[in-house]
Amino acid sequence: DTAVSQTPKYLVTQMGNDKSIKCEQNLGHDTMYWYKQDSKKFLKIMFSYNNKELIINETVPNRFSPKSPDKAHLNLHINSLELGDSAVYFCASSKQGSTGELFFGEGSRLTVL
Amino acid sequence: SQKIEQNSEALNIQEGKTATLTCNYTNYSPAYLQWYRQDPGRGPVFLLLIRENEKEKRKERLKVTFDTTLKQSLFHITASQPADSATYLCALDDQTGANNLFFGTGTRLTVIP
Repeated sequence: DTAVSQTPKYLVTQMGNDKSIKCEQNLGHDTMYWYKQDSKKFLKIMFSYNNKELIINETVPNRFSPKSPDKAHLNLHINSLELGDSAVYFCASSKQGSTGELFFGEGSRLTVL
Repeated sequence: SQKIEQNSEALNIQEGKTATLTCNYTNYSPAYLQWYRQDPGRGPVFLLLIRENEKEKRKERLKVTFDTTLKQSLFHITASQPADSATYLCALDDQTGANNLFFGTGTRLTVIP
């Protein structure tokens, strides 16, 4: 009964490759997010989607693109991977109009060689 | 520039004592502030939320204060236990209505038996 699930949990790939991380939530939430946690454990927001519309987009490279096929899914596509993309990527969701409590997935550790 | 600083990167405390963690912010005017717990290899888990018009919020052994004049939140764990050992993150919103949560740098708490 995982609330927010993301796959894969680990991803090792070469520079220049294209990869995707999938995220699904079964909470019925309206908003989903992608966060990046770097080696210093700093958690930074990348994107959020509300009812299939991108509502925020922090200063991330356009090699990163979120794709939301429906309200329960928000996938992260990364093109032309670079060494600096190595990090843990967290998916999260929240209920629109709520106090803003986020429910996080377990994270996907991306290593670019 | 905007900053959210958690003053101690690491905090060690003896079991049974009260742990106090600090979160200071600059150039934000949050409507609410949240605290999360993150265990190694896991996603952050929501603990408490306090609104700008609230001075204090309690939940079991946890207590949060919020001083909008000082731009500071304190997070207390009373009667600390080794199981409380984790990284604690504060997060606040940007009042755009997009529930864009910005996270602090985190404090790694170790409770020594």
